[in-house]
Amino acid sequence: EDQVTQSPEALRLQEGESSSLNCSYTVSGLRGLFWYRQDPGKGPEFLFTLYSAGEEKEKERLKATLTKKESFLHITAPKPEDSATYLCAVQVYGNKLVFGAGTILRVKS
Amino acid sequence: EPEVTQTPSHQVTQMGQEVILRCVPISNHLYFYWYRQILGQKVEFLVSFYNNEISEKSEIFDDQFSVERPDGSNFTLKIRSTKLEDSAMYFCASRRDSGTGELFFGEGSRLTVL
Repeated sequence: EDQVTQSPEALRLQEGESSSLNCSYTVSGLRGLFWYRQDPGKGPEFLFTLYSAGEEKEKERLKATLTKKESFLHITAPKPEDSATYLCAVQVYGNKLVFGAGTILRVKS
Repeated sequence: EPEVTQTPSHQVTQMGQEVILRCVPISNHLYFYWYRQILGQKVEFLVSFYNNEISEKSEIFDDQFSVERPDGSNFTLKIRSTKLEDSAMYFCASRRDSGTGELFFGEGSRLTVL
């Protein structure tokens, strides 16, 4: 069974304190790994798709990387507005995404 | 920026009633999806839809659920006889092609079944 595990479940950072979120996966064949941001009561907001090991993508203070077994979302010098739940999802066969439980990030000023 | 829009934002219904949730996908997208998220749980896939037919569905998507694209813009999810456990946030999503391109989600419709 395809599985996605995110850690930590929750993370508290001070503004400017860089850190990383982890997404490990066990799948039969990875077609793509997705990162989303979700604010309370809202829909997931697309951040990145990674397709193969070694790939990296950046957007503002966020950088996503991918290996054969896990992905990291690095947050550099976070600001309070980066507070959200960050979701990782994998696409294996077909078109559906399998989501992890998410990491709740709180950035305090 | 184009976006997926969903209505209603919140619906409260009695157990056993029928509910229709509506979505307007991004205009040049061809693949449409419904996902749901029970409070405090993971986002779960329900169904994918392409070329006016279901292309994939999960075990959750039983005979109580149906989807339809009644015209060129709307995409609907119908729950025929709601149960308490159907209470969740329902998200519509769309993408332009069948590959692994960007999948865009709407803001969701919160369904509360009493």
